[in-house]
Amino acid sequence: ILNVEQSPQSLHVQEGDSTNFTCSFPSSNFYALHWYRWETAKSPEALFVMTLNGDEKKKGRISATLNTKEGYSYLYIKGSQPEDSATYLCALNYGGSQGNLIFGKGTKLSVKP
Amino acid sequence: DTGVSQNPRHKITKRGQNVTFRCDPISEHNRLYWYRQTLGQGPEFLTYFQNEAQLEKSRLLSDRFSAERPKGSFSTLEIQRTEQGDSAMYLCASSSGRRNTEAFFGQGTRLTVV
Repeated sequence: ILNVEQSPQSLHVQEGDSTNFTCSFPSSNFYALHWYRWETAKSPEALFVMTLNGDEKKKGRISATLNTKEGYSYLYIKGSQPEDSATYLCALNYGGSQGNLIFGKGTKLSVKP
Repeated sequence: DTGVSQNPRHKITKRGQNVTFRCDPISEHNRLYWYRQTLGQGPEFLTYFQNEAQLEKSRLLSDRFSAERPKGSFSTLEIQRTEQGDSAMYLCASSSGRRNTEAFFGQGTRLTVV
């Protein structure tokens, strides 16, 4: 059974702080890694899809890196804002899965003004 | 709104009743997925359609669950004889099926079985 682990489970930061989360996954049979942001009462929103070892992607103040050999990805948020408060989900797409994703439990971020 | 739409948003039902949820995917997407999320967990895969064909089912999908996607457009998920353990958020997602593209999610249907 493939397992996707995320840490920390929750995080409380002050506005302006930079922060990062970790996603760990089995490195064998890797196909793609997805990061989603899920705000309360909204749909999970795709942030990044990453496939290549060493990939780095950026969207505004949010960036992510990928290491497929050791099986981890980091998500960074620079200068956190209250609107960044959400649950950040990491999901693995492995070879042969036909596109269905295996999700971690998420990291719940709260940014205090 | 051209995103993924799910109805109803909330459903409260008594144990033993049947419920049906609907998902309207993004119109040009041929892949449709159902996931379930319970408290403290990430979304868990239930089933997947390529057009109208149901290609994969999770072991989580017991005999009381059935999903359809007639004509390869909208999909329904039915739960028969609901149990309290079925209480969860049911999420639908669609994708184009092209390699390395993201899935787009609906807002989910929150089911509470009392």
